[in-house]
Amino acid sequence: EAQVTQNPRYLITVTGKKLTVTCSQNMNHEYMSWYRQDPGLGLRQIYYSMNVEVTDKGDVPEGYKVSRKEKRNFPLILESPSPNQTSLYFCASSLPNYEQFFGPGTRLTVL
Amino acid sequence: DAKTTQPTSMDCAEGRAANLPCNHSTISGNEYVYWYRQIHSQGPQYIIHGLKNNETNEMASLIITEDRKSSTLILPHATLRDTAVYYCIVRTDNYGQNFVFGPGTRLSVLP
Repeated sequence: EAQVTQNPRYLITVTGKKLTVTCSQNMNHEYMSWYRQDPGLGLRQIYYSMNVEVTDKGDVPEGYKVSRKEKRNFPLILESPSPNQTSLYFCASSLPNYEQFFGPGTRLTVL
Repeated sequence: DAKTTQPTSMDCAEGRAANLPCNHSTISGNEYVYWYRQIHSQGPQYIIHGLKNNETNEMASLIITEDRKSSTLILPHATLRDTAVYYCIVRTDNYGQNFVFGPGTRLSVLP
C-alpha cells in the first residue's frame, strides 16, 4: 500500500532532550516536506527536500533540522526542544508537480 | 502564491450536495486551484485540482469560473464521513511546491 509513515505518533518529552521524528514513504517520491499545525495558525511548512541531499527552509524552520540521505526517508530533528514546539507535525511527499500525500501526524508535547 | 478566502463553516444535510466556495481574485494565469480536506486531526487528504477547466473525479467536482477568480468544490452526495475542514489552495506548479494552507471551511454533514 502506498503510504507515508511517521514515528512516533505520540511523544511527550522534556525541554532540551534531543529527539527525532522519522518519516518514510514507499512511493519513490522526490519531494518531501514537514509541516506543523497549531490551533488558529493552520499548517505551516518547516522544511522541504526536492531530492536526496537537497533541502531548504520553509516558513518556520527555527529550532528544527532535517536530513535527506535516502530518497524514502526525511527525518525531522529537534536538537533542543522547547515548549513552543509542542504541536501536531505532518510529513508529506509527492512527485514533482503532483499532489502531496500526507502522513498520519505526530503529536509532540514538550514539557 | 495567491491568497484564498473561504467561509469559516458550512452545514450540509446528509445525501445532499455540498457546495464549498472559494474566492481567489488575485490568481495569476499559471496558478492551479487545489482542494484538500482534513478529517479531525488526520493528515490532509488531496481531493482534486484544476487550472481553468472544470474537473471531476471519484470524490468531487471542481467548478472554476471563466475569469478564474473563484471556484466551487462539489461533493455530490455528502455523507457523515465527509465532515472535515476543506482547504482551497492556489499555487503554481513550480517544483518548490509550497502549499500554503489557510484556515479552510469546516463542513459539518448533518444526519
